[in-house]
Amino acid sequence: EAGVAQSPRYKIIEKRQSVAFWCNPISGHATLYWYQQILGQGPKLLIQFQNNGVVDDSQLPKDRFSAERLKGVDSTLKIQPAKLEDSAVYLCASSRRDEQFFGPGTRLTVL
Amino acid sequence: DAKTTQPNSMESNEEEPVHLPCNHSTISGTDYIHWYRQLPSQGPEYVIHGLTSNVNNRMASLAIAEDRKSSTLILHRATLRDAAVYYCILKTSYDKVIFGPGTSLSVIP
Repeated sequence: EAGVAQSPRYKIIEKRQSVAFWCNPISGHATLYWYQQILGQGPKLLIQFQNNGVVDDSQLPKDRFSAERLKGVDSTLKIQPAKLEDSAVYLCASSRRDEQFFGPGTRLTVL
Repeated sequence: DAKTTQPNSMESNEEEPVHLPCNHSTISGTDYIHWYRQLPSQGPEYVIHGLTSNVNNRMASLAIAEDRKSSTLILHRATLRDAAVYYCILKTSYDKVIFGPGTSLSVIP
């Protein structure tokens, strides 16, 4: 089966600009996650969707980050405006039962 | 949320067994113990999980203490491809996954 797809793979922007990331989960996976991974740290959960509903967004900085999952399939994560500390790898994952499958991530550099 | 503690780093010789420890003293009765690993420049990948009994799969074995306050991931013969960061995670009944800093495993040829 095809894995979790993410785009773009790399993005460089200046602070205060906006950026969006796209994720296509594995077909049939109802649960979708967005993680932020800062260099040298473990992934931090930003938001979890069950179908197109939000299950947990307690660690999402809602003043600048937003995410949506239209029709319970693809998802986008947006940062507006970006700060220097947002430089990280943004990982998307999906799951059906116990195992999470991760995409390759999008490496964001904010200058 | 329940948390885990792992050594920051470990080394192993190639083709030797590796035992990666994890402490989770505040684990609740419904928490499953999951292990993921992350190879350089890749997203994490699932390794194994268990609740109370020891588990084996093609990648590794998971040994869970009787009181469930600790567990050990066992790689039976380390290869260079096993060099990665290994995460021990408690998965709550609400499906929330919290990653710690993990253990960075180096494999020496």
